[in-house]
Amino acid sequence: GIQVEQSPPDLILQEGANSTLRCNFSDSVNNLQWFHQNPWGQLINLFYIPSGTKQNGRLSATTVATERYSLLYISSSQTTDSGVYFCAVWEGGANNLFFGTGTRLTVIP
Amino acid sequence: DGGITQSPKYLFRKEGQNVTLSCEQNLNHDAMYWYRQDPGQGLRLIYYSQIVNDFQKGDIAEGYSVSREKKESFPLTVTSAQKNPTAFYLCASSSQLGVDTQYFGPGTRLTVL
Repeated sequence: GIQVEQSPPDLILQEGANSTLRCNFSDSVNNLQWFHQNPWGQLINLFYIPSGTKQNGRLSATTVATERYSLLYISSSQTTDSGVYFCAVWEGGANNLFFGTGTRLTVIP
Repeated sequence: DGGITQSPKYLFRKEGQNVTLSCEQNLNHDAMYWYRQDPGQGLRLIYYSQIVNDFQKGDIAEGYSVSREKKESFPLTVTSAQKNPTAFYLCASSSQLGVDTQYFGPGTRLTVL
């Protein structure tokens, strides 16, 4: 199956700072999603973004499918942004959603 | 409210017992999925269902079984054949298989004693 790598694995930010999370994937994909997993385990959809750029408030994402990577930007970070951010890609041939191992973000006041 | 519900939130079972985890959605989605998450890891696909009365194995189906008798419901049974069942189990749904956003339930934490 597709390999999905995320970087960095851990990130500590001061409240108000900006950050960029990266997701690399090894093959062509039908879709790509970014999720935020909160401390209680709930996975929250952030973006469905197989290609192009989307923005939602302080968050934005860009996927360059031809170069097999996606970026998640978090601006003016808040403590509630803490948690684990996952990138996941759907491989149509395998009918499987492959997850990266995540980036653990800690925002300190 | 539209969404996905899972029950119970926490489940404790003795080794050798089968246990069934519930997943219900009222989003009118055709596709449903079950994932397993181990500590510090991403999610892995156990089973998926594209439509009622149809389901397929994912990456780690051994020791698990599912049914899809109703569009809204996709229960997962963890059998005694699953060698390491203690994990966090997440159910998801999407309007169609693979090409749309997947929405997740709150999860069930299963601990086998």
